[in-house]
Formats: sequence, C-alpha cells, structure tokens
Amino acid sequence: DQQVKQNSPSLSVQEGRISILNCDYTNSMFDYFLWYKKYPAEGPTFLISISSIKDKNEDGRFTVFLNKSAKHLSLHIVPSQPGDSAVYFCAASAYNTDKLIFGTGTRLQVFP
Amino acid sequence: GAGVSQTPSNKVTEKGKYVELRCDPISGHTALYWYRQSLGQGPEFLIYFQGTGAADDSGLPNDRFFAVRPEGSVSTLKIQRTERGDSAVYLCASGGQGYGYTFGSGTRLTVV
Repeated sequence: DQQVKQNSPSLSVQEGRISILNCDYTNSMFDYFLWYKKYPAEGPTFLISISSIKDKNEDGRFTVFLNKSAKHLSLHIVPSQPGDSAVYFCAASAYNTDKLIFGTGTRLQVFP
Repeated sequence: GAGVSQTPSNKVTEKGKYVELRCDPISGHTALYWYRQSLGQGPEFLIYFQGTGAADDSGLPNDRFFAVRPEGSVSTLKIQRTERGDSAVYLCASGGQGYGYTFGSGTRLTVV
C-alpha cells in the first residue's frame, strides 16, 4: 500500500527551463510534506517543505505547491541547472508523528 | 561532528550471520531515526528514538531487527540471522526540534 506515490520515475529537462516533479498521496492524515534530493552514494538532503495549512512555499529557485483536495503536491525548479540532476523524493508525515513516508523517487536529469 | 556519521559504509556478510550498523548523530540532536532503502524504492521507516528510548519501532520488519541507543547519542542497529532480503542501504538521520532531519550517507549491506 503505497501512501506516497511518485508516478514518474524519471524526468529530463533542458538547462534554464522549468522542472516540475509531481507527488500524490492517499492518507488524509498527512499534514506535512517535504522534498528531499539525493545524489549517488549520499544520504537524502532536505530541500523544502510545506505544511497543510499552506498551498505554496517558495525558497529561491524551488517552490512547492500543495493541493489538498486533490491530495497532490508538486516541486517546481526554475531555472533548472545541471547541478540539480539527482533523485528527488517526496515525503509526508501525519500529525503528531515524526515518521516520514517516502515516495519511490523521480530521477531528474538537467542537460545543457 | 558536523554531520551524521554511519559506519561501516559497506558491509558484506554471509546469510545467517549477525551484523551491527552504527550511527553517530549530530551532537545535541535528541531524535534519531533509522530507515532502510531498497533498490528502486524510497527510504522506509524502521525506528525512531527520542533520547534513549524507542518512541516508535513500528517499522522494524520482524524480531531479527533490534536497535539501541543506550546513552542517547550513538545508536546501533542489530540484525540477527541475516537473509538475502535484508540487503539494502540502511540510513540513519538525526534531528532537533521539528522536521529538519539530516541523513547520513548510509551503510550498504549486502547479504550473500
């Protein structure tokens, strides 16, 4: 039972364009959502998060959008850079728990 | 240290053997988490410590898995009678308050 789903295993984007990574969830108890970035042979690195009381959070080139009615969130990276090439994981947690449920990841490749 | 340190970085063991994986969290972090990442999957929650006690061990797959954190700092994940299906990258993370936890680079366990 995959509670957090990333249906696109990979995405290829040209440098300078926008990257949009998508994530869907099924558990209505989730109230906090995070994106992590992972390079090979390293642990995941926290990128950006959003609380369920918001529908948008922005940090530099990264913006996360949350649509609670659709149980969908997305990460926008603009402009995309070659250094953004990595695997991106969406994660969620429910109220009053620190346990994160991760999606299966999307491999982003940004080419020149 | 500056980050979460995990040792060893790689471990190859024979089926049926016992292994211990060590995690040295960021100094002062009270929360410590163990996750497991299998090939092509996102990290999967195993156990969470708050201080010395296991606050949530609901992710441990069976009684062959056990984790301790006797002094509220270093933690050891112990796997008895290893099976080939235990092969994965075992990730440790530590955090202060809130959700900003920091992952280590992981221990890649291979059971042959």
